[in-house]
Amino acid sequence: NAGVTQTPKFQVLKTGQSMTLQCAQDMNHEYMSWYRQDPGMGLRLIYYSASEGTTDKGEVPNGYNVSRLNKREFSLRLESAAPSQTSVYFCASSRTGEGSPLHFGNGTRLTVT
Amino acid sequence: GESVGLHLPTLSVQEGDNSIINCAYSNSASDYFIWYKQESGKGPQFIIDIRSNMDKRQGQRVTVLLNKTVKHLSLQIAATQPGDSAVYFCAENITPPGSARQLTFGSGTQLTVLP
Repeated sequence: NAGVTQTPKFQVLKTGQSMTLQCAQDMNHEYMSWYRQDPGMGLRLIYYSASEGTTDKGEVPNGYNVSRLNKREFSLRLESAAPSQTSVYFCASSRTGEGSPLHFGNGTRLTVT
Repeated sequence: GESVGLHLPTLSVQEGDNSIINCAYSNSASDYFIWYKQESGKGPQFIIDIRSNMDKRQGQRVTVLLNKTVKHLSLQIAATQPGDSAVYFCAENITPPGSARQLTFGSGTQLTVLP
């Protein structure tokens, strides 16, 4: 039981390049989400998916798109990377969208030069 | 806007002492609160949670206290150990009408356990 798995662990992009961050969970969770973590700012919600087939914007969605491919997988795409998107990205899932704790992956460290 | 914040950004305690990490929240509609521990290079790890209909919950060596009157949350760690050194985040759950749950995090407190 791996929990939440994120790939890649590290990535360096040039400004304007695109990439997709992958996330998969094996806990049969309904709810999945993407956060970014910047120094001194805690974690901020980018997008979430309350169930398979649905996605919604969080606090900081600009510059990102998401796909809930199936119940297990939730990907985050940067279409045209900018230096302001340099951050650590975390995927998290929970059993439901109501009152159950989020389980986090170990993050993807992205640098945009 | 609404926010979750922490009183102290850093906390140092002697090994074996008790630690108390505080958190203030401002959204009176928050109905669920969680404490996470984050070690360097890892994702946040769930420690303990509490619902708004409770004022205290205990786990293994940890206790969370919720004071809704003053919108204050605290995490108490008993007999702090070196392995407890990490950044601790509180998070509050808000479920806006017609939307799914959104978890808002504070900026974290760095706990350092001194030998």
